[in-house]
Formats: sequence, C-alpha cells, structure tokens
Amino acid sequence: NAGVMQNPRHLVRRRGQEARLRCSPMKGHSHVYWYRQLPEEGLKFMVYLQKENIIDESGMPKERFSAEFPKEGPSILRIQQVVRGDSAAYFCASSPSGAGGNEQFFGPGTRLTVL
Amino acid sequence: DQQVKQNSPSLSVQEGRISILNCDYTNSMFDYFLWYKKYPAEGPTFLISISSIKDKNEDGRFTVFLNKSAKHLSLHIVPSQPGDSAVYFCAADAGGTSYGKLTFGQGTILTVHP
Repeated sequence: NAGVMQNPRHLVRRRGQEARLRCSPMKGHSHVYWYRQLPEEGLKFMVYLQKENIIDESGMPKERFSAEFPKEGPSILRIQQVVRGDSAAYFCASSPSGAGGNEQFFGPGTRLTVL
Repeated sequence: DQQVKQNSPSLSVQEGRISILNCDYTNSMFDYFLWYKKYPAEGPTFLISISSIKDKNEDGRFTVFLNKSAKHLSLHIVPSQPGDSAVYFCAADAGGTSYGKLTFGQGTILTVHP
C-alpha cells in the first residue's frame, strides 16, 4: 500500500536549465495537488489536476511553469529556464476526491536547488 | 495577503504537559480546517480536522477547537511526548469550488523536552 511517491527527492539545476518533478499518487487516487514551500514559509498551492485535466492553476506562475497528469503515468511539474528564486521544496498530494474537506496525502517532496 | 496565520514560530514544552498551537484566519469562506505535522525532509502528515459546523473535534491526544466568531482555531496535544517534536501547519479549505485546495499557515516548530 504505497503512499504518494515523488522523484527525484533532490534536484540540482543551473540557471536556465529545465526541471522536471514527478508525482505518483496513491493507488486509487485520481486527484493531484502541487504545493511549493519556500524557505521559512508555509506551503503554497500551485495547481490541481485530475487525470488529463488541469482544474485549477490559480497558484501557478504564469510563465515557465506547467503541469500535466496524463492518462497513464505520473503527474509532472515542469519548470523551464529555472532561476534561483525557484529553489524550494515542491510537494504533491493526492486525494480520492476533489471535494473540499477531504484529507490530502502528501509525498516526501522534491527539493530543487538552482545554482 | 496571508489568509491563514500562525503567529508563534516556535513553542517549547515539557514532556507530559499540554501543547497549545494557535492559528488565525481572515477568509470567512473557509469551512474546513486541518492540522498537519511535518518532520524534516518529509512531507506533511494529516493529524486532525474540523468542519466549521463544529467547535471541537477530538482524536486521542489531539483536540482541535474552532471559534468561528474570532476566526481562531487551536490544536491541543495532551500529554505531549518527545516524538511530537515537529513543525505543525494549520490549513484551511474553502470547500465548494475551491476543489479542496489548501491554504497553509507558516507553521509552528514544536519542541517537547524529555
């Protein structure tokens, strides 16, 4: 009964490179949320996806960031042309339902460092 | 615009005593509140939640109290144990068309001394 899996756990990129973060939700969960935690801050919502659909991307920066959750395979958060300010911990969470009040199960996070 | 605030960055408590962690919110659309616990290098783990139609929810050593008029909630841990030492996040959910997305506070570092 595996939990939410994220890889890689640590990712180092130079400015201008691309970062790809992967999230495999818990078995049976088709709702995925991505959050970002900057140093000394709480988690901030980025995007909510269901299989093959982006439902709410109101927390995602308008440029360089994109997310997908294909029919097969993990959800991907992609950051193009990374900058130092993108250095953060990125967490994904999954839920059996997108309804409010449902517990979200979090993965261990990917710590992105931009040099 | 910090809609969920945890004004105490840290709290230190003796083992066996009560830990009280506080959280304030500004958005009256929030109707569900959750507490998460986080250890270093791990993801947050769900602890306990409360719906806005209740003022108290209890689960073992953990109790959450909600004061809607004051837009304030608190998490009580009693008795506190050294293994409770972690960062505690308060989170809120507006329900409805918010699709379950959570708004988090900044977190409170709890240290329980043996």
